Amino acid sequence: GAVVSQHPSWVICKSGTSVKIECRSLDFQATTMFWYRQFPKQSLMLMATSNEGSKATYEQGVEKDKFLINHASLTLSTLTVTSAHPEDSSFYICSARDMREQYFGPGTRLTVT
Amino acid sequence: GQQVMQIPQYQHVQEGEDFTTYCNSSTTLSNIQWYKQRPGGHPVFLIQLVKSGEVKKQKRLTFQFGEAKKNSSLHITATQTTDVGTYFCAGTDKLIFGTGTRLQVFP
Repeated sequence: GAVVSQHPSWVICKSGTSVKIECRSLDFQATTMFWYRQFPKQSLMLMATSNEGSKATYEQGVEKDKFLINHASLTLSTLTVTSAHPEDSSFYICSARDMREQYFGPGTRLTVT
Repeated sequence: GQQVMQIPQYQHVQEGEDFTTYCNSSTTLSNIQWYKQRPGGHPVFLIQLVKSGEVKKQKRLTFQFGEAKKNSSLHITATQTTDVGTYFCAGTDKLIFGTGTRLQVFP
């Protein structure tokens, strides 16, 4: 089946720094990718929908200036957490859809100290 | 906004017992998908239901989509320890995830 990769798989950063997470669809082109955040033992919360070549659509309550999304190509979307704070520590998961179903990346665990 | 609730939140069963999780949406869904997430892992697609009243089976798993397309259920017959994980339903094109049901199976 289709594969979606994420990099890095985990990252620890200091408060105030920025972190970039990459999401790639490895064997298919994805015009739309989705970014989710998941806190421990909770459900996945949709943060934004990333569209290739256009601005991302953010869900209510998600700060677009803090979570910068760029969908530069049909196989790559990036999420940058700017000026990260400890409350941004979470599991960030991207997903991409081909013609049949939606595939999820393995996730990136972000810890902000 | 749209909300998708699942019950129960947790379920502990003895191996061999059956298990059911229910998914309820505040709005009508064009389709519903089910995912399984193992501890520490990412969601893995199980199935998609599109038609009102649709029933699909995958071995010991039976999925139903309600007539009004606002609810769905996942039933596992004779659970096994490999069924452990959190089961999520998700609806609409943006995949709004349900609250999830965490299943624990005791051998």
